[in-house]
Amino acid sequence: DIQMTQSPSSLSASVGDRVTITCRASGTIGAYLNWYQQKPGKAPKLLIYSVFSLQGGVPSRFSGSGSGTDFTLTISSLQPDDFAIYFCQHTYNSPYTFGQGTKLEIK
Amino acid sequence: QVQLVQSGAEVKKPGASVRVSCKASGYSFASFAIHWVRQAPGQSLETLGRIDPGNGNTQYSRIFQGRVTITTDPSASTAYMELTSLTSADTGVYFCAREAYDSSDSSGASWFDPWGQGTLVTVSS
Repeated sequence: DIQMTQSPSSLSASVGDRVTITCRASGTIGAYLNWYQQKPGKAPKLLIYSVFSLQGGVPSRFSGSGSGTDFTLTISSLQPDDFAIYFCQHTYNSPYTFGQGTKLEIK
Repeated sequence: QVQLVQSGAEVKKPGASVRVSCKASGYSFASFAIHWVRQAPGQSLETLGRIDPGNGNTQYSRIFQGRVTITTDPSASTAYMELTSLTSADTGVYFCAREAYDSSDSSGASWFDPWGQGTLVTVSS
């Protein structure tokens, strides 16, 4: 099974900061990489699919990049609504697996 | 709109089974796979398995193989996940999710959207 490793596991930042979260796959996954945001007590919400495609309604301050095994999620200017947990996921082959999550907290 | 609505919270004793439902609306149920994902308290997301409602084909995670069964009732646009031989380690929130894709994209890329609201399953004696 392909393992997904995110870093950092947690991150403290301030409103207006630029933040980058990385996700590394244990094997090549092409462009089959998605990002989700989860808030307490809620289901994950799709942010970005296929590495860099923004889901409808997601603010343009979110962006994704990468290929092969290394990927990043960037938030260009943090807003209060962005403090949440972020997960990466590959859908290259079965079983689809998720990273362990990155908790983004207010500094 | 495209929506998945799950059944309510469950409390079960160790050794029991639980069945969670996931009702789809707003799209052609047969055209998209449904996945089941578990989140233990404070933990990440773990896939249990998937079903293709169009033909009933299933795939299960090795970790849950033999304990999980995923089925559908196409007439009700509903998917079901049954987990047997429950232990306290099975306590968590269980989500269903639709595996979406872009029909104009030949790459085969897919993602989970939308998700159900989640069903809390508590296993306690």
